[in-house]
Amino acid sequence: KAGVTQTPRYLIKTRGQQVTLSCSPISGHRSVSWYQQTPGQGLQFLFEYFSETQRNKGNFPGRFSGRQFSNSRSEMNVSTLELGDSALYLCASSLVVRGELFFGEGSRLTVL
Amino acid sequence: DAKTTQPTSMDCAEGRAANLPCNHSTISGNEYVYWYRQIHSQGPQYIIHGLKNNETNEMASLIITEDRKSSTLILPHATLRDTAVYYCIVRVGGSAGNMLTFGGGTRLMVKP
Repeated sequence: KAGVTQTPRYLIKTRGQQVTLSCSPISGHRSVSWYQQTPGQGLQFLFEYFSETQRNKGNFPGRFSGRQFSNSRSEMNVSTLELGDSALYLCASSLVVRGELFFGEGSRLTVL
Repeated sequence: DAKTTQPTSMDCAEGRAANLPCNHSTISGNEYVYWYRQIHSQGPQYIIHGLKNNETNEMASLIITEDRKSSTLILPHATLRDTAVYYCIVRVGGSAGNMLTFGGGTRLMVKP
């Protein structure tokens, strides 16, 4: 079956702009989590959604937001982009909460 | 989640067993040990997990000490494609959901 699909794979933005990233989980998976990966901070948890409800949120500013739709697809948005937001953004899905996580290939964001 | 300590890097000869240690001395009784790996520029991949018994699957074996304060991931016959960063994570259930705390991981280099 198809894996976790993230779009776009690569994008370049400038400071002050906003960006929306999309994640389609594996069919049947209802839990979607988002992670940010940077060389300095490593992999950090952003937020998690299950059945359209945010279950957990990591220690990120309010500029980072997300949502999940009724078909379990999820989007995350970063507003007022800063240079430090340049990162690989990874989405992961699981069948249930606390299940095995399946990660997508990520969306690589560069902020200039 | 309990904190984990892993060596920064390790080398292994192709065809030999790779033994990756992880220290989790503050692990609680309800915390599982999970292992993921990340091959360059890809999303992390689930390998194996366990609570207190040793576990084996088609990818690897997980040996957890009796006091559960440390564990070892064993790749029985390492190949060049096993070159990756390996993350050891301890994880509770319940409300923590899929909020994983990744450390720095071990960079395993498999050499011909």
